[in-house]
Amino acid sequence: EAGVAQSPRYKIIEKRQSVAFWCNPISGHATLYWYQQILGQGPKLLIQFQNNGVVDDSQLPKDRFSAERLKGVDSTLKIQPAKLEDSAVYLCASILKPLGGFTDTQYFGPGTRLTVL
Amino acid sequence: AQSVAQPEDQVNVAEGNPLTVKCTYSVSGNPYLFWYVQYPNRGLQFLLKYITGDNLVKGSYGFEAEFNKSQTSFHLKKPSALVSDSALYFCAVRLNYGGSQGNLIFGKGTKLSVKP
Repeated sequence: EAGVAQSPRYKIIEKRQSVAFWCNPISGHATLYWYQQILGQGPKLLIQFQNNGVVDDSQLPKDRFSAERLKGVDSTLKIQPAKLEDSAVYLCASILKPLGGFTDTQYFGPGTRLTVL
Repeated sequence: AQSVAQPEDQVNVAEGNPLTVKCTYSVSGNPYLFWYVQYPNRGLQFLLKYITGDNLVKGSYGFEAEFNKSQTSFHLKKPSALVSDSALYFCAVRLNYGGSQGNLIFGKGTKLSVKP
């Protein structure tokens, strides 16, 4: 079974530029998460999708971050414009069941390391 | 508010010795607890989880964790450490209320260093 795929693996941009990250979850997984992991910290949830709908985006800085999962499969996270403090690893994760699958394990992709100069 | 604490930034162990990485939690209701490991430039890999039942949970790569409800702890353990176990370890608790059900709250991580 293929794991969670993410691209690109690394990205370097200057502040005020735009950037987009892509995630393809494990086949059949209904729920998809985007996390931000700043150096020295644990991952922090940005947004949660169930199929193509947003379940929780309460911690997403909506003035600059956006995300979509139009067909309920792969997802794109965008930052526009980027700030220095956005430098982090952006992790995508997925689980099989929709909301309520408490016992399910989240499987993570390799992440995208973003450096904003 | 639900939270996870990993009190040690780094744990140093000699190869062959037992290791413990500490985690305490604060949750409303039943705790669902997870351990993940992160190697350099890699994503998080699932090690084990506690949902219910036996307090001693066995996971991947010889790791196990002990759930202690009275001490609200979920420490990760391994009887004999390997140099290849050197990595960053994260404890996490799953939210079980409101609209954020299913989301994970992570600790800040503990760096494990195993010396030959």
